[in-house]
Amino acid sequence: EIVMTQSPATLSVSPGERATLSCRASQSVSSNLAWYQQKPGQAPRLLIYGASTRATGIPARFSGSGSGTEFTLTISSLQSEDFAVYYCQQYNNWSRAFGPGTKVDIK
Amino acid sequence: EVQLVESGGGLVQPGRSLRLSCTASGFTFGDYAMSWVRQAPGKGLEWVGFIRSKAYGGTTEYAASVKGRFTISRDDSKSIAYLQMNSLKTEDTAVYYCTRDAPFYDILTWGYYYYMDVWGKGTTVTVSS
Repeated sequence: EIVMTQSPATLSVSPGERATLSCRASQSVSSNLAWYQQKPGQAPRLLIYGASTRATGIPARFSGSGSGTEFTLTISSLQSEDFAVYYCQQYNNWSRAFGPGTKVDIK
Repeated sequence: EVQLVESGGGLVQPGRSLRLSCTASGFTFGDYAMSWVRQAPGKGLEWVGFIRSKAYGGTTEYAASVKGRFTISRDDSKSIAYLQMNSLKTEDTAVYYCTRDAPFYDILTWGYYYYMDVWGKGTTVTVSS
């Protein structure tokens, strides 16, 4: 079973600043890694798939990188609408595990 | 507009059954694999299960926590995916989301994989006596 971990659990950032979120897999998932954003009371929304490809309609300030076991989601300049919880998820095997999430809140 | 709408949630006693529906619109439902994901109150996301398109056999995969109790099926003529939940437990209490799964070709492994690109708003299932 692949276990996904995310750090930090909470990230406090000022609007306009850069945010860097980390995700680690317990074994290689190749580039089969997605990132999702979830706001309170809403469904998750796909941001990134294939570790680095932005989904349709996702602003360019969101970028993903990494492969194997180490992945990063970067938000280059945080906007007010970006404060949310971010989950990584591997789809390399059928555990399809999600990480526990990183909450990005206002500093 | 691509849309997924879940229905069928509610309050159910432990040990009983419930069937959820996911009605799709705005795309050719039969061309896509579909998944169910759940989120317990105040917790993270947990993948529940997956069904391939008929072109790939319409076969299913399940999380270990629900295997043998939950069944996913699809009716392409109605653009609906179902989640049949039997022998429900209190720990099955969650918001259940339906997702559309898109294929991703991994050039590193030369294989096709699926990621969840569209999500419904979810339906709430509460298992309690």
